[in-house]
Amino acid sequence: DVKVTQSSRYLVKRTGEKVFLECVQDMDHENMFWYRQDPGLGLRLIYFSYDVKMKEKGDIPEGYSVSREKKERFSLILESASTNQTSMYLCASSSGQGSSQPQHFGDGTRLSIL
Amino acid sequence: AQTVTQSQPEMSVQEAETVTLSCTYDTSESNYYLFWYKQPPSRQMILVIRQEAYKQQNATENRFSVNFQKAAKSFSLKISDSQLGDTAMYFCAFILDGQNFVFGPGTRLSVLP
Repeated sequence: DVKVTQSSRYLVKRTGEKVFLECVQDMDHENMFWYRQDPGLGLRLIYFSYDVKMKEKGDIPEGYSVSREKKERFSLILESASTNQTSMYLCASSSGQGSSQPQHFGDGTRLSIL
Repeated sequence: AQTVTQSQPEMSVQEAETVTLSCTYDTSESNYYLFWYKQPPSRQMILVIRQEAYKQQNATENRFSVNFQKAAKSFSLKISDSQLGDTAMYFCAFILDGQNFVFGPGTRLSVLP
């Protein structure tokens, strides 16, 4: 089974802090994604990466950056955390082979910014 | 731009009954894929079922089936013989290529004993 592991289930940080959310997948997937999930809004794509050192902006990249130095790891960075970034963050991965491959998700990180 | 709409924010169904969750989408493309994902409370999101747009036959996965109407851009999920473990958020998703996923806002389904 594909396993996508997010480093923290719950995280509490303060306004202005630099926050790192880590995600690791074990299936050699080419594509990795970061979403935030908010009630009534579903999942919104922040960034995705289709290869090492490659990244593409999603629908809501403002205030975030990402890093993919190794194929299995995709990091989301909040440069200066703000209270409106309090949310559930989901990492996902998928195989880049063909366009029908579904995404596999991690357990999510519930981030609170105080 | 592709969009996905789920018009039912919340639904409930009695155990053992059948329920249908609706999903509509908008795209000008002809070749794409549709998915239903399930997110149980405090648990991981998992794939329930998927449908290729070029296939006319509706996908079926045990108690889960879809009604895919390409012309109407509709992709509903039917859950038969509902079980308590079906209680979850259900997300309809659209994928155009391997990197472009769009999710709907979700429907919260409660299965009542």
